[in-house]
Amino acid sequence: GAGVSQSPRYKVAKRGQDVALRCDPISGHVSLFWYQQALGQGPEFLTYFQNEAQLDKSGLPSDRFFAERPEGSVSTLKIQRTQQEDSAVYLCASSLVRQGNQPQHFGDGTRLSIL
Amino acid sequence: AQSVTQLGSHVSVSEGALVLLRCNYSSSVPPYLFWYVQYPNQGLQLLLKYTSAATLVKGINGFEAEFKKSETSFHLTKPSAHMSDAAEYFCAVSGTSASGGSYIPTFGRGTSLIVHP
Repeated sequence: GAGVSQSPRYKVAKRGQDVALRCDPISGHVSLFWYQQALGQGPEFLTYFQNEAQLDKSGLPSDRFFAERPEGSVSTLKIQRTQQEDSAVYLCASSLVRQGNQPQHFGDGTRLSIL
Repeated sequence: AQSVTQLGSHVSVSEGALVLLRCNYSSSVPPYLFWYVQYPNQGLQLLLKYTSAATLVKGINGFEAEFKKSETSFHLTKPSAHMSDAAEYFCAVSGTSASGGSYIPTFGRGTSLIVHP
């Protein structure tokens, strides 16, 4: 596709369950970012990949959060033993290269609700 | 460290009126500045970006922004609001590691633009 694709669009899980969120970036984009967006807030950085390498995971809130991009294209964000505070929209973005002047292309996000 | 402050969580204007959304940044030089728009249940879309070329930047949908270094501001404007402009707007800043910034953008908390008929 032409844009960044995220699935599922909506996910409801019970507290304690594990969830996996998928991001399919724009073909050829080297950089891939995951963000968490709480209601009424801006995106908060979680982690960054350059190709298959996870270069920055400083924004991951706990060791329950894990992300991978094994072949340098599709990425998965996994949350283990979900808690209610994990409820948010998770956004994925990609950019052509790792430079500060490069705009990001965002997917429509996955809205995660933890009951 | 880089940061942005968006003044006003909500801005309300009448259709046809001037739109002004405020953004102040804190960053090492040079900053790269962006405005994004987010419609309900969608991701962020780039409106415009400043990357140290012209200080007045024109974007899509009639929006423009002016980089003012002395005021550390990058306010977004549109001469005449349209109902379809109602959305959430985010200012973002990034930089380079060589200048003490980060290529990972930092986003503001957003401003919700409300357009009245």
